[in-house]
Amino acid sequence: EIVMTQSPATLSVSPGERATLSCRASQSINSNLDWYQQKPGQAPRLLMYGASTRATGVPGRFSGSGSGTEFTLTISSLQSEDFALYYCQQYNNWPRTFGQGTKVEIK
Amino acid sequence: EVELVESGGVLVQPGESLRLSCAASGFAFSLYSMNWVRQAPGKGLEWVSYITSDTRTINYADSVKGRFTISRDNAKNSLFLQMNSLRAEDTAVYYCARSVAGSFDHWGQGTLVTVSS
Repeated sequence: EIVMTQSPATLSVSPGERATLSCRASQSINSNLDWYQQKPGQAPRLLMYGASTRATGVPGRFSGSGSGTEFTLTISSLQSEDFALYYCQQYNNWPRTFGQGTKVEIK
Repeated sequence: EVELVESGGVLVQPGESLRLSCAASGFAFSLYSMNWVRQAPGKGLEWVSYITSDTRTINYADSVKGRFTISRDNAKNSLFLQMNSLRAEDTAVYYCARSVAGSFDHWGQGTLVTVSS
């Protein structure tokens, strides 16, 4: 099973600032990585697929990068609606596995 | 508009069985692979099971293999999860999610399953 490790667990950022979230895979997953956003009481929402392609309707301030084992999600200028939990997930191998999540909170 | 609506979650005792349903609308359900993903209270996401559009390929997480069965009825635009021998650690919100090239591009709102005596 591929283990996905996200860091940090919590990221405290002021509105308008840049946030950088990391995700590491225990073995190469090529670019088969998604990022999801989850707000309290809501289902997850697909943000990014293929490591760097924004899903439909996702604002341009979100960008993804990486391949192999190291990946990054960057939010260039945090808006109030971006404070949430973020999960990475690999779909290179079965079973599909998620990271434990990074909580982006208001500083 | 794509819509996925789960149902069937209730409080059950350990060892009992339960069947979850997911009603799909707004897209050609018969053409898409589908998944169940769960989230224990206050915890992260765990993929549970996957089924292709033609049911030829089915996968399970090790934690549910042998106890859960995924199925679908394309004529009724419905996805199911039969859960047997339920354990306390199966307590979670269960989401159905559509697959597109490996990604979960649409999710339902979830249904809560509680396993407790």
